[in-house]
Amino acid sequence: AQRVTQPEKLLSVFKGAPVELKCNYSYSGSPELFWYVQYSRQRLQLLLRHISRESIKGFTADLNKGETSFHLKKPFAQEEDSAMYYCALSGRGYGGSQGNLIFGKGTKLSVKP
Amino acid sequence: DSGVTQTPKHLITATGQRVTLRCSPRSGDLSVYWYQQSLDQGLQFLIQYYNGEERAKGNILERFSAQQFPDLHSELNLSSLELGDSALYFCASSVDRGPHEQFFGPGTRLTVL
Repeated sequence: AQRVTQPEKLLSVFKGAPVELKCNYSYSGSPELFWYVQYSRQRLQLLLRHISRESIKGFTADLNKGETSFHLKKPFAQEEDSAMYYCALSGRGYGGSQGNLIFGKGTKLSVKP
Repeated sequence: DSGVTQTPKHLITATGQRVTLRCSPRSGDLSVYWYQQSLDQGLQFLIQYYNGEERAKGNILERFSAQQFPDLHSELNLSSLELGDSALYFCASSVDRGPHEQFFGPGTRLTVL
Protein backbone atom coordinates (compact mmCIF):
# COMPACT_ATOMS: atom_id res chain seq x y z
CA ALA A 1 0.00 0.00 0.00
CA GLN A 2 1.10 3.54 -0.67
CA ARG A 3 1.47 5.45 2.56
CA VAL A 4 3.23 8.52 3.98
CA THR A 5 3.98 8.75 7.67
CA GLN A 6 4.92 11.90 9.55
CA PRO A 7 5.46 10.74 13.12
CA GLU A 8 5.44 14.17 14.77
CA LYS A 9 2.23 16.20 14.96
CA LEU A 10 4.04 19.14 16.51
CA LEU A 11 7.67 20.18 16.53
CA SER A 12 8.75 23.15 18.58
CA VAL A 13 12.25 24.64 18.33
CA PHE A 14 13.98 27.90 19.16
CA LYS A 15 15.12 30.35 16.52
CA GLY A 16 18.55 29.41 15.21
CA ALA A 17 18.23 25.74 16.16
CA PRO A 18 18.41 22.98 13.55
CA VAL A 19 15.16 21.48 12.36
CA GLU A 20 14.37 18.03 11.03
CA LEU A 21 10.84 17.08 10.02
CA LYS A 22 10.56 13.36 9.55
CA CYS A 23 8.81 11.61 6.70
CA ASN A 24 8.71 7.92 5.90
CA TYR A 25 6.94 6.37 2.98
CA SER A 26 5.72 3.04 1.69
CA TYR A 27 5.62 2.64 -2.07
CA SER A 28 6.26 -0.08 -4.62
CA GLY A 29 8.28 1.40 -7.45
CA SER A 30 10.15 4.66 -7.94
CA PRO A 31 8.51 7.35 -5.84
CA GLU A 32 8.12 11.03 -6.49
CA LEU A 33 8.31 12.84 -3.16
CA PHE A 34 7.37 16.38 -2.23
CA TRP A 35 7.20 18.69 0.73
CA TYR A 36 4.29 21.12 0.81
CA VAL A 37 3.92 23.94 3.30
CA GLN A 38 0.94 25.89 4.54
CA TYR A 39 1.63 29.19 6.29
CA SER A 40 -1.05 30.70 8.46
CA ARG A 41 -4.03 31.91 6.40
CA GLN A 42 -2.36 30.91 3.14
CA ARG A 43 -2.99 28.09 0.73
CA LEU A 44 -0.95 24.93 0.48
CA GLN A 45 2.15 25.44 -1.67
CA LEU A 46 5.05 23.36 -2.88
CA LEU A 47 8.25 23.79 -0.86
CA LEU A 48 10.45 21.33 -2.68
CA ARG A 49 10.52 18.04 -4.59
CA HIS A 50 13.21 15.41 -4.48
CA ILE A 51 14.02 15.34 -8.18
CA SER A 52 14.91 19.03 -8.28
CA ARG A 53 17.52 18.69 -5.52
CA GLU A 54 17.05 22.37 -4.73
CA SER A 55 17.36 24.19 -1.46
CA ILE A 56 14.32 26.38 -0.90
CA LYS A 57 14.28 28.93 1.95
CA GLY A 58 17.25 27.04 3.40
CA PHE A 59 15.37 23.72 3.51
CA THR A 60 16.73 20.55 1.95
CA ALA A 61 15.42 17.00 1.76
CA ASP A 62 17.22 13.88 0.65
CA LEU A 63 15.48 10.78 -0.56
CA ASN A 64 16.84 7.70 1.21
CA LYS A 65 15.46 4.68 -0.60
CA GLY A 66 17.08 2.24 1.81
CA GLU A 67 15.32 3.77 4.79
CA THR A 68 12.30 4.87 2.70
CA SER A 69 12.62 8.34 4.16
CA PHE A 70 12.47 11.91 2.90
CA HIS A 71 13.22 14.03 5.93
CA LEU A 72 13.12 17.84 5.66
CA LYS A 73 16.02 19.70 7.23
CA LYS A 74 17.12 23.23 7.90
CA PRO A 75 20.29 24.09 9.82
CA PHE A 76 19.00 27.30 11.43
CA ALA A 77 15.27 27.76 11.96
CA GLN A 78 13.66 31.18 11.57
CA GLU A 79 10.42 32.42 13.12
CA GLU A 80 8.90 32.77 9.65
CA ASP A 81 9.34 29.02 9.15
CA SER A 82 6.46 28.40 11.55
CA ALA A 83 3.85 26.60 9.49
CA MET A 84 2.23 23.27 8.76
CA TYR A 85 4.44 20.95 6.69
CA TYR A 86 3.13 18.05 4.66
CA CYS A 87 5.16 15.29 3.08
CA ALA A 88 3.54 13.86 -0.04
CA LEU A 89 4.05 10.99 -2.44
CA SER A 90 2.92 10.99 -6.02
CA GLY A 91 0.60 8.06 -6.54
CA ARG A 92 -0.25 5.86 -9.43
CA GLY A 93 -3.28 6.45 -11.59
CA TYR A 94 -4.69 4.67 -14.59
CA GLY A 95 -2.19 3.17 -16.98
CA GLY A 96 0.65 3.68 -14.51
CA SER A 97 0.71 7.45 -14.79
CA GLN A 98 1.41 9.29 -11.58
CA GLY A 99 -0.25 12.48 -10.54
CA ASN A 100 -2.37 12.43 -7.43
CA LEU A 101 -0.67 13.12 -4.13
CA ILE A 102 -0.77 10.93 -1.04
CA PHE A 103 -0.20 13.13 1.97
CA GLY A 104 1.10 12.51 5.42
CA LYS A 105 -0.93 13.98 8.26
CA GLY A 106 1.40 16.92 8.59
CA THR A 107 3.75 18.35 11.20
CA LYS A 108 3.16 21.72 12.74
CA LEU A 109 6.47 23.52 13.15
CA SER A 110 6.62 26.23 15.76
CA VAL A 111 9.77 28.35 15.92
CA LYS A 112 10.06 30.32 19.13
CA PRO A 113 12.02 33.58 19.40
CA ASP B 1 -5.95 36.34 -9.84
CA SER B 2 -4.66 33.65 -12.20
CA GLY B 3 -4.35 31.06 -9.46
CA VAL B 4 -6.75 28.28 -8.57
CA THR B 5 -10.10 29.59 -7.41
CA GLN B 6 -12.80 27.76 -5.49
CA THR B 7 -16.37 28.70 -4.71
CA PRO B 8 -18.01 28.95 -2.31
CA LYS B 9 -15.61 29.57 0.57
CA HIS B 10 -18.03 28.26 3.14
CA LEU B 11 -21.09 26.07 2.85
CA ILE B 12 -23.45 25.08 5.63
CA THR B 13 -26.14 22.53 4.88
CA ALA B 14 -28.20 19.76 6.44
CA THR B 15 -27.88 16.00 6.36
CA GLY B 16 -29.40 14.41 3.28
CA GLN B 17 -28.83 17.45 1.12
CA ARG B 18 -26.77 17.79 -2.06
CA VAL B 19 -24.14 20.45 -2.77
CA THR B 20 -21.85 21.41 -5.63
CA LEU B 21 -18.36 22.75 -5.16
CA ARG B 22 -16.69 24.58 -8.01
CA CYS B 23 -13.05 24.90 -9.00
CA SER B 24 -11.33 26.90 -11.72
CA PRO B 25 -7.76 25.78 -12.42
CA ARG B 26 -4.80 28.00 -13.18
CA SER B 27 -4.69 29.27 -16.73
CA GLY B 28 -3.11 26.60 -18.92
CA ASP B 29 -3.41 23.74 -16.42
CA LEU B 30 -5.18 20.68 -17.77
CA SER B 31 -5.31 18.51 -14.64
CA VAL B 32 -7.64 19.11 -11.72
CA TYR B 33 -7.46 17.20 -8.44
CA TRP B 34 -9.91 17.12 -5.56
CA TYR B 35 -8.82 16.47 -1.98
CA GLN B 36 -10.74 16.22 1.28
CA GLN B 37 -9.16 17.36 4.52
CA SER B 38 -10.67 16.26 7.82
CA LEU B 39 -9.24 16.26 11.33
CA ASP B 40 -9.06 12.49 11.63
CA GLN B 41 -8.14 11.49 8.06
CA GLY B 42 -5.89 14.36 7.04
CA LEU B 43 -5.63 15.25 3.34
CA GLN B 44 -7.14 12.51 1.21
CA PHE B 45 -7.12 12.37 -2.57
CA LEU B 46 -10.58 11.99 -4.07
CA ILE B 47 -10.37 12.20 -7.84
CA GLN B 48 -8.35 13.59 -10.75
CA TYR B 49 -9.49 14.86 -14.13
CA TYR B 50 -7.25 15.56 -17.07
CA ASN B 51 -8.54 17.56 -20.02
CA GLY B 52 -12.11 16.55 -19.35
CA GLU B 53 -11.54 12.88 -18.62
CA GLU B 54 -11.35 11.05 -15.31
CA ARG B 55 -7.73 10.08 -14.74
CA ALA B 56 -7.41 8.65 -11.26
CA LYS B 57 -9.68 7.81 -8.38
CA GLY B 58 -8.92 7.73 -4.69
CA ASN B 59 -11.13 7.05 -1.71
CA ILE B 60 -14.12 8.80 -3.18
CA LEU B 61 -17.52 7.72 -1.91
CA GLU B 62 -20.20 6.63 -4.36
CA ARG B 63 -22.32 9.55 -3.11
CA PHE B 64 -19.67 11.89 -4.49
CA SER B 65 -19.07 12.59 -8.16
CA ALA B 66 -17.11 15.08 -10.19
CA GLN B 67 -16.68 16.31 -13.71
CA GLN B 68 -14.45 18.61 -15.70
CA PHE B 69 -16.02 20.81 -18.32
CA PRO B 70 -14.69 21.89 -21.74
CA ASP B 71 -13.47 25.19 -20.25
CA LEU B 72 -11.52 23.00 -17.76
CA HIS B 73 -13.33 24.12 -14.63
CA SER B 74 -14.43 21.28 -12.40
CA GLU B 75 -17.32 20.58 -10.07
CA LEU B 76 -17.49 18.18 -7.16
CA ASN B 77 -20.99 17.01 -6.32
CA LEU B 78 -21.70 15.65 -2.86
CA SER B 79 -25.09 14.07 -2.27
CA SER B 80 -27.01 12.46 0.61
CA LEU B 81 -24.73 14.36 2.91
CA GLU B 82 -23.80 12.97 6.29
CA LEU B 83 -22.30 14.65 9.34
CA GLY B 84 -18.99 12.95 8.58
CA ASP B 85 -18.75 14.74 5.24
CA SER B 86 -17.99 17.97 7.06
CA ALA B 87 -14.47 18.87 5.95
CA LEU B 88 -12.33 21.23 3.95
CA TYR B 89 -12.39 20.38 0.24
CA PHE B 90 -9.39 21.46 -1.79
CA CYS B 91 -8.98 21.65 -5.50
CA ALA B 92 -5.54 21.66 -7.10
CA SER B 93 -4.38 21.95 -10.67
CA SER B 94 -1.25 21.07 -12.58
CA VAL B 95 -0.05 21.52 -16.10
CA ASP B 96 -0.12 17.82 -16.98
CA ARG B 97 -1.34 14.49 -15.67
CA GLY B 98 1.98 13.31 -14.24
CA PRO B 99 3.78 14.12 -10.99
CA HIS B 100 4.09 17.86 -11.57
CA GLU B 101 3.80 20.60 -9.00
CA GLN B 102 0.21 21.03 -7.94
CA PHE B 103 -1.22 24.46 -7.23
CA PHE B 104 -3.88 24.51 -4.58
CA GLY B 105 -6.98 26.58 -4.19
CA PRO B 106 -8.04 28.15 -0.88
CA GLY B 107 -10.55 25.38 -0.20
CA THR B 108 -14.27 25.17 0.51
CA ARG B 109 -15.27 24.52 4.10
CA LEU B 110 -18.35 22.31 4.20
CA THR B 111 -20.34 22.00 7.40
CA VAL B 112 -23.14 19.44 7.53
CA LEU B 113 -25.57 19.94 10.41
